[in-house]
Amino acid sequence: GAVVSQHPSRVICKSGTSVKIECRSLDFQATTMFWYRQFPKQSLMLMATSNEGSKATYEQGVEKDKFLINHASLTLSTLTVTSAHPEDSSFYICSARDLGQDAYEQYFGPGTRLTVT
Amino acid sequence: GQNIDQPTEMTATEGAIVQINCTYQTSGFNGLFWYQQHAGEAPTFLSYNVLDGLEEKGRFSSFLSRSKGYSYLLLKELQMKDSASYLCAVLDSNYQLIWGAGTKLIIKP
Repeated sequence: GAVVSQHPSRVICKSGTSVKIECRSLDFQATTMFWYRQFPKQSLMLMATSNEGSKATYEQGVEKDKFLINHASLTLSTLTVTSAHPEDSSFYICSARDLGQDAYEQYFGPGTRLTVT
Repeated sequence: GQNIDQPTEMTATEGAIVQINCTYQTSGFNGLFWYQQHAGEAPTFLSYNVLDGLEEKGRFSSFLSRSKGYSYLLLKELQMKDSASYLCAVLDSNYQLIWGAGTKLIIKP
């Protein structure tokens, strides 16, 4: 149980275009989903926290107009990188918290590697 | 501020035992997690400690001392596949995960 999927796993896009990444909890309902970014040889950096049906909470320094997050249901959250630039190239990982669990464990998706050319 | 410290890199020999330490200073404490992350992959859950003491799970054990702000992950009978980064993360008073930078573990034959 507790499986989180992400799509796509890899994406290459041209500078100036937008890319949407989907995060789904497959066998549980997620009250909260998290979006992380990870640059090579660095740890996870939390970008934003999203709760179903409400606006996402962005971490300091993360542009909310550039990284659009939509958490429309208890099983789906999307991250759209708008007007992508090469410096946005990174490994984007989502995680979800199970509505029915108390341990606050986060289940991670497999990640999406974004390359902006 | 909130801070989690763990060694950047460690090297150990196949079949041996290694202990990865983590010290933390956070605003509140609601538990400490250890995750394993292989290169290019997402983290996978290893352990969760919220009370003091040792939790054993197969070859992996995790220890917590809340009074000392200290935890360690103990890996026994090391295998080559254990080569990975090990991330320590603390759940703070807002139930937000605060992440350490990770410890890269290199296993040599």
